[in-house]
Amino acid sequence: SQQGEEDPQALSIQEGENATMNCSYKTSINNLQWYRQNSGRGLVHLILIRSNEREKHSGRLRVTLDTSKKSSSLLITASRAADTASYFCATDARNAGNMLTFGGGTRLMVKP
Amino acid sequence: GAGVSQSPRYKVAKRGQDVALRCDPISGHVSLFWYQQALGQGPEFLTYFQNEAQLDKSGLPSDRFFAERPEGSVSTLKIQRTQQEDSAVYLCASSPIGGINQPQHFGDGTRLSIL
Repeated sequence: SQQGEEDPQALSIQEGENATMNCSYKTSINNLQWYRQNSGRGLVHLILIRSNEREKHSGRLRVTLDTSKKSSSLLITASRAADTASYFCATDARNAGNMLTFGGGTRLMVKP
Repeated sequence: GAGVSQSPRYKVAKRGQDVALRCDPISGHVSLFWYQQALGQGPEFLTYFQNEAQLDKSGLPSDRFFAERPEGSVSTLKIQRTQQEDSAVYLCASSPIGGINQPQHFGDGTRLSIL
């Protein structure tokens, strides 16, 4: 079973707009990670935020983590058509032996 | 450098046949994971190796699923007497060392279709 839920399940925006995806989870975590998956390909790691961090940036990506609410968000600024993909959050839960538990993903389409 | 390599990329088998899926992790990576991804869903954990030791196989759906990593590098996921519900993409991932706060590096997966 999957730990988290992602919201929205699908998102369609115009190039240049910002895209925000949310993730909720259920258990205590060591860290939360965001991955991207293009159709027919494997997952590519985007960013890892530790449980004692609240915000992290990487290029056009901004991730927040609220452990009190067990939620995270991924913001992609100034989106590009090449950002079209599925985005997954994954939690590395405490006492779970390094396995990742993924949400159901957000399918992002960026229209040129 | 070379990433995680999985073969075959696509596998079609008849129900009841056995299949073997191969994963070549990034050289030197200690940890290796297998995940199953159903269409339109996120990946679900199957099993985890640290070197040659299988430390967690709690996600394997039945005793028809078996994984090994005998020399601590290449891993094989075997599914015996395949059933239609086994149809999915099987993803392999590796990470450099055991321990927390490590991103995982994924291969492109094997898409398994059971007819």
